[in-house]
Amino acid sequence: GENVEQHPSTLSVQEGDSAVIKCTYSDSASNYFPWYKQELGKRPQLIIDIRSNVGEKKDQRIAVTLNKTAKHFSLHITETQPEDSAVYFCAARSGSNYKLTFGKGTLLTVNP
Amino acid sequence: NAGVTQTPKFQVLKTGQSMTLQCAQDMNHEYMSWYRQDPGMGLRLIHYSVGAGITDQGEVPNGYNVSRSTTEDFPLRLLSAAPSQTSVYFCASSYTDWETQYFGPGTRLLVL
Repeated sequence: GENVEQHPSTLSVQEGDSAVIKCTYSDSASNYFPWYKQELGKRPQLIIDIRSNVGEKKDQRIAVTLNKTAKHFSLHITETQPEDSAVYFCAARSGSNYKLTFGKGTLLTVNP
Repeated sequence: NAGVTQTPKFQVLKTGQSMTLQCAQDMNHEYMSWYRQDPGMGLRLIHYSVGAGITDQGEVPNGYNVSRSTTEDFPLRLLSAAPSQTSVYFCASSYTDWETQYFGPGTRLLVL
């Protein structure tokens, strides 16, 4: 089955800096890659997603890039703010079934 | 719309007891899934359903049963609770398996 590795597990940045979280996947047929943000004690919420026919997608301060050859995708957050502090999860949808496999998460801390 | 709802919010069980975690959505979503979230393990898929009457196993299905008799409801049954099933359980739904998944608020389960 699909295996998703996420790095780093923790990331601390200063307010205004950029943050990058990287994920690799194993199934070359995977075709959908969402990112979820989970604040402490709350449910995960989608922040951005990308499909395999697109290399990059942006939404204001966040962007996701996909490298299908290398089987990795990354989340980029620019001009970080304290409210960006949360756990971020990447995920990959297998092309051979309906399963969504999540990475283990990255705890992002933005220091004022 | 209420979105995705889960009951109960918190439950304590003794080893060997059985119970059903309820999940309902009012968005007419075909795809529903159950995840468990443990510290450092991310979100792991237990079971999922691509429509009424259709269910399949995820990554960690042992000890859990599901059924999908209606589009709206997707209950998760613990047959004989074990301490290893202590976790936070999230239900999620989406129109398809590769669109935004909306998560419920979660059920925190403690098995003694």
